[in-house]
Amino acid sequence: AQSVSQHNHHVILSEAASLELGCNYSYGGTVNLFWYVQYPGQHLQLLLKYFSGDPLVKGIKGFEAEFIKSKFSFNLRKPSVQWSDTAEYFCAVPGGFQKLVFGTGTRLLVSP
Amino acid sequence: NAGVTQTPKFRVLKTGQSMTLLCAQDMNHEYMYWYRQDPGMGLRLIHYSVGEGTTAKGEVPDGYNVSRLKKQNFLLGLESAAPSQTSVYFCASSYGQRGYTFGSGTRLTVV
Repeated sequence: AQSVSQHNHHVILSEAASLELGCNYSYGGTVNLFWYVQYPGQHLQLLLKYFSGDPLVKGIKGFEAEFIKSKFSFNLRKPSVQWSDTAEYFCAVPGGFQKLVFGTGTRLLVSP
Repeated sequence: NAGVTQTPKFRVLKTGQSMTLLCAQDMNHEYMYWYRQDPGMGLRLIHYSVGEGTTAKGEVPDGYNVSRLKKQNFLLGLESAAPSQTSVYFCASSYGQRGYTFGSGTRLTVV
């Protein structure tokens, strides 16, 4: 079965620090990968997605992720975080019938 | 604004009571989903629908029923609420794997 694991459950950073959140997937078909963000009290929003082509994907708000097939990874990065990046981040993979399977999430707290 | 609308936003139920959560989308999406979100467990799929008149079980379907009588609506029912169903419920719709649109969520507490 398709699955995705996120290694970091809680991350605390100071503003301007660099961010990297881990995501590893187990998936036997065509690889489509997603990162979603959930700001406090809000619903999930798509941050970026990978379908094919350039393994380095640019998303909104300065986020990017790199698909490394040999490592089954799709880590999320941002060179310099801001207080407004405080949120929960979810990695997701397709689960058949257009379903998405989500990781358990990583809570990011950015201190000013 | 186009999107996914969930009602109600908050609800408190007593154990054994029933209720229906409504999800409505105006994007003509074929696929709709109900997830529940619990701390440390991410989002887990309850039920989903690949089109009007169809429904299917997800990862955690027990204690829930759904109906998709109209393409734009996807209802989630709890026949006899239990404290274990205290959660935040999110509805989503999609036109494929290229992206989901999520509703704003329903925070349900069962006491």
